[in-house]
Amino acid sequence: QVQLQESGPGLVRPSETLALTCNVSGGSISNYYWNWIRQPAGKGLEWIGHIYPSGSTNYNPSLKSRVTMSVDTSKNQFSLKLSSVTAADTAVYYCARGRDSYSRFVYWGQGTLVTVSS
Amino acid sequence: EIVLTQSPGTLSLSPGERATLSCRASQSVSSDYFAWYQQKPGQAPRLVMYGASIRATGIPDRFSGSGSGTDFTLTISGLEPEDFAVYYCQQYGSSPRTFGQGTKVEV
Repeated sequence: QVQLQESGPGLVRPSETLALTCNVSGGSISNYYWNWIRQPAGKGLEWIGHIYPSGSTNYNPSLKSRVTMSVDTSKNQFSLKLSSVTAADTAVYYCARGRDSYSRFVYWGQGTLVTVSS
Repeated sequence: EIVLTQSPGTLSLSPGERATLSCRASQSVSSDYFAWYQQKPGQAPRLVMYGASIRATGIPDRFSGSGSGTDFTLTISGLEPEDFAVYYCQQYGSSPRTFGQGTKVEV
């Protein structure tokens, strides 16, 4: 059974860079699209973007200037960096797997809360 | 960007009743790329329906989906206690992928 697990600092200072990793177990990271989605407390879901193991990416235009995603196939994990964070970036961040570029999300991580505060 | 608007915001029903959730898109969405998710407090979303009308693995047949173009519906016939949750619609046929703001189904 595929499992995804997010990890990273739970507190980030304003203007700094948020960095999260999603570890994939129970299956290879190859041949799938790996997504990041976030959810502020009490609010809806926002797709941040996805990455394919080749390095091809697709970012949400609303965040594109601040987002960088990467994949480490040797560790079966992928990562998110979001720069110049503000309080508006405080959210639960989820990673999720897509079978292809235009795919529903069957497998999700449990989510990790990132708070932006000084 | 395709904006998805869900209605109502909150649906107050009792177990055994029928729930009808709506999602309207700001422009036409291929039904092949339309999904519904269920989310309970403290949990990740769970895929309920994809392709607008195909139940995801493990989803009971009291859940059904329909719609095309700009109007989609998720119906839960005979609510069970475990169905009370927030439901989100999603389109994944164009970029950026977008979600509706959610409909809370409460007792």
